[in-house]
Amino acid sequence: NAGVTQTPKFRILKIGQSMTLQCTQDMNHNYMYWYRQDPGMGLKLIYYSVGAGITDKGEVPNGYNVSRSTTEDFPLRLELAAPSQTSVYFCASSYSGGVDSYNSPLHFGNGTRLTVT
Amino acid sequence: QQPVQSPQAVILREGEDAVINCSSSKALYSVHWYRQKHGEAPVFLMILLKGGEQKGHDKISASFNEKKQQSSLYLTASQLSYSGTYFCGTETNNDYKLSFGAGTTVTVRA
Repeated sequence: NAGVTQTPKFRILKIGQSMTLQCTQDMNHNYMYWYRQDPGMGLKLIYYSVGAGITDKGEVPNGYNVSRSTTEDFPLRLELAAPSQTSVYFCASSYSGGVDSYNSPLHFGNGTRLTVT
Repeated sequence: QQPVQSPQAVILREGEDAVINCSSSKALYSVHWYRQKHGEAPVFLMILLKGGEQKGHDKISASFNEKKQQSSLYLTASQLSYSGTYFCGTETNNDYKLSFGAGTTVTVRA
């Protein structure tokens, strides 16, 4: 059981470059999330999705885009990388949320460490 | 809006107890607790829903005070393995979005 898989593990980008962070889960979870974690800080929600074809902004969406064409995949796109986007990015999934939150812990991937110079 | 955690850090000797608090300015629907070891992903500990009872997980338990919009995590008889950063995540308005606090770093020493 792979759980939530993120690729790549590490990446260095130059300012202005673009890249896509990949995230896939094999647990048939409806809900998927992208968080960023700056050094010594908590997790900030970038985007989330409650199902295929449905995405919505979190707390810090500027500079990022997402898509959710399948239940399994939830890629995060950085169009014009900036030094402020240097961070560790975590993808997470959960079976459900809201009224069924008791059964809905977040399962996190191992993270992508991104440096923009 | 992100919840506020306190304290920022705590140092314990094995066997000692600690309490970590998580407060929100908004009414909460649920509170999640996670632990993160250095360089690793956060790992789920427990969820509390409004109207729910205190939860427990080995010697780690938590409570949820709806009136105060506050949750507390209790580390009892701490073990070396309890070291890490603890995050609370709060959900308001049944909206599927978790906002995380800045974390509380717990160091347990022998």
